[in-house]
Amino acid sequence: AQKITQTQPGMFVQEKEAVTLDCTYDTSDPSYGLFWYKQPSSGEMIFLIYQGSYDQQNATEGRYSLNFQKARKSANLVISASQLGDSAMYFCAMRVPGNQFYFGTGTSLTVIP
Amino acid sequence: NAGVTQTPKFQVLKTGQSMTLQCAQDMNHEYMSWYRQDPGMGLRLIHYSVGAGITDQGEVPNGYNVSRSTTEDFPLRLLSAAPSQTSVYFCASKADILSYEQYFGPGTRLTVT
Repeated sequence: AQKITQTQPGMFVQEKEAVTLDCTYDTSDPSYGLFWYKQPSSGEMIFLIYQGSYDQQNATEGRYSLNFQKARKSANLVISASQLGDSAMYFCAMRVPGNQFYFGTGTSLTVIP
Repeated sequence: NAGVTQTPKFQVLKTGQSMTLQCAQDMNHEYMSWYRQDPGMGLRLIHYSVGAGITDQGEVPNGYNVSRSTTEDFPLRLLSAAPSQTSVYFCASKADILSYEQYFGPGTRLTVT
């Protein structure tokens, strides 16, 4: 069965500090993709970062990096130098062959000034 | 470029009524999809389409119909609304099957009484 697990319902981080949001996944397919999305209080879903299962290096996009540990089936999102605008819900997602997408339940991040 | 647009933004239905949620994109994307987001559950894939004339079921297709007569439009039909279909509905698109960045619409908040 395909599954995405985010075990942190809520996280707090001080402004300018780094924060790690956890994500573990379960799939028997060798080919898959892992995603992180941000959902601010306004409701839209914003793509942040992508990691393919065969990618050798961890993905990075500006202040976002994905800590991909294939053997542990984890794909944690690291946000460096947090900003007040980073306060939002963050969703981890997985795409498997057949173009099925599975989302986790999300982590609410609050950045404290 | 308007991106992905959804109408209406809000809708209230009575049990048993039918309606169509509209989704359009102006990016010439081949792949389009519909998700529902329920509190505490993340997004779940309802239906998707890899091109005009081709649709397939996602994780939670029951009670919903889709069609894709043009590249631009991907309407979602509720045949006989039920309170369990109260949710926020997101439409998304991406260039093709292989591309990984999905663009989401602003969502439609549907309440079924």
